[in-house]
Amino acid sequence: DAGVIQSPRHEVTEMGQEVTLRCKPISGHDYLFWYRQTMMRGLELLIYFNNNVPIDDSGMPEDRFSAKMPNASFSTLKIQPSEPRDSAVYFCASSFTLAGFSYNEQFFGPGTRLTVL
Amino acid sequence: QKEVEQDPGPLSVPEGAIVSLNCTYSNSAFQYFMWYRQYSRKGPELLMYTYSSGNKEDGRFTAQVDKSSKYISLFIRDSQPSDSATYLCAMRLNTGFQKLVFGTGTRLLVSP
Repeated sequence: DAGVIQSPRHEVTEMGQEVTLRCKPISGHDYLFWYRQTMMRGLELLIYFNNNVPIDDSGMPEDRFSAKMPNASFSTLKIQPSEPRDSAVYFCASSFTLAGFSYNEQFFGPGTRLTVL
Repeated sequence: QKEVEQDPGPLSVPEGAIVSLNCTYSNSAFQYFMWYRQYSRKGPELLMYTYSSGNKEDGRFTAQVDKSSKYISLFIRDSQPSDSATYLCAMRLNTGFQKLVFGTGTRLLVSP
């Protein structure tokens, strides 16, 4: 398996523009997570899905952020409008359950480095 | 106060040294404790996990959990330059959900 795939790997945009980050989880995984990582705040969970349904979006910083998972193999994180303080590395991760048991390993993608000027 | 506290470092050691990385936490309900390793410009990857209190060993790595003190540690024996990375602790409740709470990470530098 190719692992979790994220695109783009780097994004530079200007304040006010819409940004869309994309993620393809590992096939067969039923959980998908979006994280944001900065030096100051570390790795923060933004939202996670189970079987394509959003379970907890309490980490989404504000209404400018939205996430969707239209099917089991694709998710997007959108920022509209973007602001300089959104500059960070955004990670997507996936994991799976088996017979109701939640495994602790989350498989992370390579991340998207976002810079908002 | 953050739920999970971790010294950001950097921690610089010579090759062969024993390294001790630590996290403290405030939520006594956490039951699963993990250590992730993150190389520069990469995503984190799971190194070890333990359930509840006790020790777990895997090669040169030992994870230790002291729930009474709300303190977890990762020890690396015979450290190698390839161990240079950021180490993040993470923990979660004993429920069906997989929400992890991460520390901010400690950057480790092992010099040859």
